[in-house]
Amino acid sequence: GQQLNQSPQSMFIQEGEDVSMNCTSSSIFNTWLWYKQDPGEGPVLLIALYKAGELTSNGRLTAQFGITRKDSFLNISASIPSDVGIYFCAGQPPTTSGTYKYIFGTGTRLKVLA
Amino acid sequence: NAGVMQNPRHLVRRRGQEARLRCSPMKGHSHVYWYRQLPEEGLKFMVYLQKENIIDESGMPKERFSAEFPKEGPSILRIQQVVRGDSAAYFCASSPLAGRGETQYFGPGTRLLVL
Repeated sequence: GQQLNQSPQSMFIQEGEDVSMNCTSSSIFNTWLWYKQDPGEGPVLLIALYKAGELTSNGRLTAQFGITRKDSFLNISASIPSDVGIYFCAGQPPTTSGTYKYIFGTGTRLKVLA
Repeated sequence: NAGVMQNPRHLVRRRGQEARLRCSPMKGHSHVYWYRQLPEEGLKFMVYLQKENIIDESGMPKERFSAEFPKEGPSILRIQQVVRGDSAAYFCASSPLAGRGETQYFGPGTRLLVL
C-alpha cells in the first residue's frame, strides 16, 4: 500500500533555530496537509497544499508541495518552546473509486530546548 | 462553531468488555473518519462514514470492530470483546464534503486502556 516516510523521526533544537522536516513517497498525491499534535490532544491543521510547487505560509511556518507531487516540506523559523509536539504530514492520493482519504506519515517529534 | 467532539476522553475496560466511542462532527459536516494511533506511531485510517452509510472500511479489523453514523446523533465506534492490543488513542475527524482537497478536522481523541 501507499506509505509516507516522514523525517526526521525526532529532533532536539535550541530555541530560535529554524526547523525543517519532510515527507516523501514513491506515489503521487493531490493534496498535502500538515498537522501538529500536542500531548494528549488531537491533531490541529497547520497548512494545506493543493498544487505541485505551491508554497504556503502560516506565521512562522512555511510548507511546500513538491514539484514531483511525491513529497512535501515543512519549515519552522525561529522556533519557540511552544513549537514542541508531533508534526504529521498527510497526503491524499488520487482515487478512481471516488473515495477520498488521507494517508498519514509517522510524525516528527520536535523538542525545543530553551 | 464548536469543533469535533469526542467522548469519553478516557475509557478503561477489562478484557472481554465492550467499548463504545462517540464522535460528534463539526456543525455542517456530514463526513466522519475514524483513526487509531498507537503510542509513538502515526494515525492509521480505520473507516469513513457519511450519514447512515459506511463508505470505506478498508482499515477496520474484520472482527469485533464496527462503526455507524446514524441519521440523528453521533458516530459510534464499537469494539466488542476488547483485548489488550486494542489499547490506543482513537481519533475522529470530520469534513463538510469528501472531495479532492477537502481538509479534515480532528477531535481530541478517546484514549482506550484495556486492562
